[in-house]
Amino acid sequence: EAQVTQNPRYLITVTGKKLTVTCSQNMNHEYMSWYRQDPGLGLRQIYYSMNVEVTDKGDVPEGYKVSRKEKRNFPLILESPSPNQTSLYFCASSVGQGVSYEQYFGPGTRLTVT
Amino acid sequence: AQSVTQLDSQVPVFEEAPVELRCNYSSSVSVYLFWYVQYPNQGLQLLLKYLSGSTLVESINGFEAEFNKSQTSFHLRKPSVHISDTAEYFCAVGGGSYIPTFGRGTSLIVHP
Repeated sequence: EAQVTQNPRYLITVTGKKLTVTCSQNMNHEYMSWYRQDPGLGLRQIYYSMNVEVTDKGDVPEGYKVSRKEKRNFPLILESPSPNQTSLYFCASSVGQGVSYEQYFGPGTRLTVT
Repeated sequence: AQSVTQLDSQVPVFEEAPVELRCNYSSSVSVYLFWYVQYPNQGLQLLLKYLSGSTLVESINGFEAEFNKSQTSFHLRKPSVHISDTAEYFCAVGGGSYIPTFGRGTSLIVHP
């Protein structure tokens, strides 16, 4: 089954404790991205990657890191999480690099930072 | 630069009534337009999209949207909604950059 998977689905952590949210897709997609969803703000893009070893900042990259060492994986790293990073996070992928392609979303990771 | 405005944060309707979810965009380049749906506790999934050609696009579950260039709109409509259509709906625009822009979402609440 073609899908985007994220782990963990739920995470509660404390301020400053480094964490990684994994994202993997099995569709051989080139383009992958991370979003955060907050009430009243919709989806905002954090980082995106057009291919292996190619990443770039989205609208809200501060406090996050990403890497793309393999085509299928695109982990999101919070080196020192803070409470304002409490949010619902989505990973997405698409077959092409252009914005005419639809995106396939993972099920989401709900992160709480206390 | 591009932006998307979803004019209603919440739209309550009764089952079998028609519904319209409004979306307006601004962009300095040619655009691609999307509607995504997010059911409770799930990720987003594509509902329909406009890339080019016919300005009226349809989904498999009865939704349709019309691209109106002069009014810069891409409103989503359904003539008769079901309880199962209760979800969050996001309008998105792409074009000119690799960062698609999403609206803030409209919560469609269908009452029996």
